[in-house]
Amino acid sequence: KNQVEQSPQSLIILEGKNCTLQCNYTVSPFSNLRWYKQDTGRGPVSLTIMTFSENTKSNGRYTATLDADTKQSSLHITASQLSDSASYICVVSAQDSWGKLQFGAGTQVVVTP
Amino acid sequence: DAGVTQSPTHLIKTRGQHVTLRCSPISGHKSVSWYQQVLGQGPQFIFQYYEKEERGRGNFPDRFSARQFPNYSSELNVNALLLGDSALYLCASSLSSGDYTGELFFGEGSRLTVL
Repeated sequence: KNQVEQSPQSLIILEGKNCTLQCNYTVSPFSNLRWYKQDTGRGPVSLTIMTFSENTKSNGRYTATLDADTKQSSLHITASQLSDSASYICVVSAQDSWGKLQFGAGTQVVVTP
Repeated sequence: DAGVTQSPTHLIKTRGQHVTLRCSPISGHKSVSWYQQVLGQGPQFIFQYYEKEERGRGNFPDRFSARQFPNYSSELNVNALLLGDSALYLCASSLSSGDYTGELFFGEGSRLTVL
């Protein structure tokens, strides 16, 4: 069973609207949680990194939240643009092995005009 | 500064063949990790190398092997290719091995198709 679950699997939103993506994880002991944006056929690009003590972090129109108690995170996209169409992947790192990141399957976001 | 570079970008092989994928990390980065991403899924960890030593291995068969060179570049080798090995292979680099909060930079990937 995947230790990082993302929802929804996909969503379509109108340009200019907001949306929120969810990530639930069971990875333990928790080190940090990252959100990546991946365009089709390209490598992932980092949006945010949050450690245990951080509740929210922003990167432009992207805002990530973390509740380490409930092991949940969300990524909020504000005023979506066509260029936001991509897969958004939640990645959780355990403290015992840096390289063994646990990736979610991603949420495919399509922004339409 | 150049980012993480991978080669080749695309390649087609037949079952049973062998493939070598190459990765050059960002200058100054000593850690390289390899990931396999099957279409529609998130990346799966294959290997991590730091200072030319293997520091982590995912749940992949022995057909998969890798190494890191003195200049910190890396190769991923896959023997006896199977149809299921068709995927995007991603390389990522970072400054250190034990930096749990450090930035991880991905290359654009090598798209392998096995026929």
